[in-house]
Parts: sequence; C-alpha cells; structure tokens
Amino acid sequence: DSGVTQTPKHLITATGQRVTLRCSPRSGDLSVYWYQQSLDQGLQFLIQYYNGEERAKGNILERFSAQQFPDLHSELNLSSLELGDSALYFCASSVDGNSGNTIYFGEGSWLTVV
Amino acid sequence: LAKTTQPISMDSYEGQEVNITCSHNNIATNDYITWYQQFPSQGPRFIIQGYKTKVTNEVASLFIPADRKSSTLSLPRVSLSDTAVYYCLVGAQMDSSYKLIFGSGTRLLVRP
Repeated sequence: DSGVTQTPKHLITATGQRVTLRCSPRSGDLSVYWYQQSLDQGLQFLIQYYNGEERAKGNILERFSAQQFPDLHSELNLSSLELGDSALYFCASSVDGNSGNTIYFGEGSWLTVV
Repeated sequence: LAKTTQPISMDSYEGQEVNITCSHNNIATNDYITWYQQFPSQGPRFIIQGYKTKVTNEVASLFIPADRKSSTLSLPRVSLSDTAVYYCLVGAQMDSSYKLIFGSGTRLLVRP
C-alpha cells in the first residue's frame, strides 16, 4: 500500500459526459501528480500540483482540468468524454515535487467511455 | 529534456540475475535516477533511486557510472513474480518546473 488513495477504482460512462477522479496523497506529501495510461501504452504525465498551486503541465487536454484543495487532496475533471479517453488514470504524490523525491503511485482509476 | 532509452523487452529464467540498462545521455546535474516496477492494471511501484555510484536495497541494486549517462538496475535471483514492466526515470527541467517523464519501459518475462 503506497498510501495514495484514488476513487473511484472503476467508472463507466458515456461519450460526452463529465467525470471527476479523486486523489488523496500520502500523509505529509504536498505535491500531487496525475498520469494517464491507455491500454498497452506508457504513462503520460498530465499535470502536477504543489501545495494547491499548479507546478508543471504535461500532455493534458483542454477538456481536462485538475485542482488541489487546501486539504491537499486533488481532483481530475474530465469533460466531453471521448472513447479515446478510456484509460487508467494514476495519481501520485511526493513530499515537495523536487528532484530526489520518491514519488508514490496510487492504484489508479479505471475509466471506460462507451 | 532528459530522455531515457531502455530495451523494449528481456527474457530470463527463475533464479537468474537480471540487469536492465537505461541510457540517459542528457541527464541534468540535479537529476536523480529512479526505477519503478509495474504489473498490469496496477500503479507503478518504487524500486530504487540513486544519484551516483551504487545503491542497494532489499530488492535491487542500482549501478550508476561516474558520467551518469546510464544506469543499470540489477535484480538478483528473479522469480516468476518479477515478470513486469520496469521503468527508468530521470527528471526533466522544463519552464521552471520539474517533471518526471516515463519512457516506454522494459517488459521483463521470467520463465520457469
């Protein structure tokens, strides 16, 4: 158990809909990351937050957005969903997001768009 | 942007030592090298991290030469349960932010 909690574990929704994925980082970690992994694909970095502020942005679509709340949990919002958005979405956390930090991953939220 | 290159796949047998080498020619001075293991439909699991020379923990060793342009993950006496994808990561300093970018990983298959 990495200490990073993600909900829901599985989600099935229709195209055009909007979903919210939630992440609770490890106790004491201030930085949260979101990654997307499509079937048989590598992990694509989406976005990183540190203590409530966006710190780094990767290949995140404009239809996607995220935020980190004062209690440090984070949410990833996916809207106008397309079939191609079906993927595993991982949240990860680290102490402060700097080089040398160990990043711990949650078990992911499996999104299926039908 | 530090990019990593690893073999796409490797085969081994139970009980053997497995060494997976990763090249990262453009590694920055402040970058650490981190290795993760991932099983299907699970989150990546931290294995080991190092900056230079050799690091060892209870599951693996990490060898980093002086120029730090490559690193080798060593798994002693692998078992069937070590069949997984192994990722080598270095950071990428971009636009005043520091990102961890995953490469394609190495699919390790351990045979009986």
